[in-house]
Amino acid sequence: DAKTTQPNSMESNEEEPVHLPCNHSTISGTDYIHWYRQLPSQGPEYVIHGLTSNVNNRMASLAIAEDRKSSTLILHRATLRDAAVYYCILRVYSGGGADGLTFGKGTHLIIQP
Amino acid sequence: EPEVTQTPSHQVTQMGQEVILRCVPISNHLYFYWYRQILGQKVEFLVSFYNNEISEKSEIFDDQFSVERPDGSNFTLKIRSTKLEDSAMYFCASSPYDRVGGNTIYFGEGSWLTVV
Repeated sequence: DAKTTQPNSMESNEEEPVHLPCNHSTISGTDYIHWYRQLPSQGPEYVIHGLTSNVNNRMASLAIAEDRKSSTLILHRATLRDAAVYYCILRVYSGGGADGLTFGKGTHLIIQP
Repeated sequence: EPEVTQTPSHQVTQMGQEVILRCVPISNHLYFYWYRQILGQKVEFLVSFYNNEISEKSEIFDDQFSVERPDGSNFTLKIRSTKLEDSAMYFCASSPYDRVGGNTIYFGEGSWLTVV
């Protein structure tokens, strides 16, 4: 998987929006942008993914730059439960899903009450 | 919501002993994975399994590791002769077959292995 760059940590206040950035300047045309998060003492959890267009789901929104060299995960209204490490991962579609995810250090999101 | 379940949640074993970690993937999923996370470090891919054989494995997954799907529901990771450095959280995961790209991987809560 191609490399991504994320800030080590970010802090936000409860009930405010959070924008988590990710740079992936070496992304190729077939790389999907995935976001996972890991709450304390739990396994990673899927958040959202996209290829070219912006994506929304019940958990978050994903804004993808036009050149695809960066993306932003948006939590519209952060709660204390959103405090976690957020991972931005590029994934090549290799047919079926055999390839594993390559996790970086991610961004440690701290939510203040 | 369907989930990946793992047992045991925590196991303590003596160095050199064999350990089997068990997982029940989501029932209609076809790809199964094991990952590990040493305390304070990144989540690392170990192996993927499809159609009753290993699809991909990382450098970590050496001869002391093996995986098996002994029946239609369980997926196991065996560590033959544990070392101190095998102490970690082991995550099982599963995903459906991805015909389009970008499939979602669902992780279990993990099995914490402590080798003493």
